[in-house]
Amino acid sequence: DADVTQTPRNRITKTGKRIMLECSQTKGHDRMYWYRQDPGLGLRLIYYSFDVKDINKGEISDGYSVSRQAQAKFSLSLESAIPNQTALYFCATSDVRQANTGELFFGEGSRLTVL
Amino acid sequence: LAKTTQPISMDSYEGQEVNITCSHNNIATNDYITWYQQFPSQGPRFIIQGYKTKVTNEVASLFIPADRKSSTLSLPRVSLSDTAVYYCLVGDRAPGGKLIFGQGTELSVKP
Repeated sequence: DADVTQTPRNRITKTGKRIMLECSQTKGHDRMYWYRQDPGLGLRLIYYSFDVKDINKGEISDGYSVSRQAQAKFSLSLESAIPNQTALYFCATSDVRQANTGELFFGEGSRLTVL
Repeated sequence: LAKTTQPISMDSYEGQEVNITCSHNNIATNDYITWYQQFPSQGPRFIIQGYKTKVTNEVASLFIPADRKSSTLSLPRVSLSDTAVYYCLVGDRAPGGKLIFGQGTELSVKP
């Protein structure tokens, strides 16, 4: 089983619908992140959380919200989806104790299409 | 945050050594240089990290000159399976949340 699991893996929805993407991890890491990837733009950071009580905006947080329900769970919500939120979304974790590299561990991605 | 510049794409052939250079003119004293690899429809995967001089692991080598304004990822004897996008990131290694991914370099390895 994957250490960082995202659900759903694929979702097609309509403009105006509320969507939640969920991420859970079994790595025991404190830090969790949400990125979106668009063709030719690399990955852009949406939100990140350093622990359950700490939520921070990234580069492109407008139109998104997050919830850190527990150390292992970090969900991303689109309150009213719009077509330009069509993208591949990645959840990632890192270990605050892994001071050597700060390595990010990514999930397999959630492909969202907004019609 | 230090901005990075790397080639959009590169082509190579199996068995060749591939060097991908990243420019980061505004790198700060506390910044580390980290490279990730991403295959299609998968999340990026950490390859290597360095601060100065040379770092080598089982996958790649990272060369960083004294001024640290650039770095070069070296992949020895690439194979078809090395076809991927390679990202150069510069930033504090601990916070993680401030690591910004650029466009990356799309490496295509041909037979």
